[in-house]
Amino acid sequence: SQQGEEDPQALSIQEGENATMNCSYKTSINNLQWYRQNSGRGLVHLILIRSNEREKHSGRLRVTLDTSKKSSSLLITASRAADTASYFCATVYRGSTLGRLYFGRGTQLTVWP
Amino acid sequence: DSGVTQTPKHLITATGQRVTLRCSPRSGDLSVYWYQQSLDQGLQFLIQYYNGEERAKGNILERFSAQQFPDLHSELNLSSLELGDSALYFCASSVEAGVTSSNTGELFFGEGSRLTVL
Repeated sequence: SQQGEEDPQALSIQEGENATMNCSYKTSINNLQWYRQNSGRGLVHLILIRSNEREKHSGRLRVTLDTSKKSSSLLITASRAADTASYFCATVYRGSTLGRLYFGRGTQLTVWP
Repeated sequence: DSGVTQTPKHLITATGQRVTLRCSPRSGDLSVYWYQQSLDQGLQFLIQYYNGEERAKGNILERFSAQQFPDLHSELNLSSLELGDSALYFCASSVEAGVTSSNTGELFFGEGSRLTVL
């Protein structure tokens, strides 16, 4: 399977703390994306990082990419209860049909007030 | 609101039956993707259409088929349903067939159609 793996599977923190989720993938990528899914709802795109980028920021989100280790991390700073959701990394592999995403199993983040 | 509309939101049916899931992409988007989310398999890519033509096929069973119509809406047909077909089926859309310098490669997902096969 070319699906990535997120780590941890579940993360529970207090409001105001930072949350870090990691993703590992299998082969060379074109880009890596992070999505968020509230329980039973659709996925919402958070951020995309291309294979030639190492770090990207969007609001309270910071994504890093290490292509030598085939891994990425998503940092959510100053988390809020509203950040409670599942977070998925999704990769577009080099040579694969662009737009075909390989999703990991996700990290379930719970932020307690 | 992503702008992608899926119907129905919930569907309960029996084994052996056939159902059709419908998707209207965001205005202006030419590409439509179908994904299946189940507890067993996670999120799996099924199929992609671009401007009416099949562009890529993933883990789509032979019992399943899809099409994209001239008005760009898409339908996913699931037949001879089995218990294991119970899942959330998502449609997503994007402007072009993939990542270019003019787009972010972002997919816009609908809220999904939850299929329960009893």
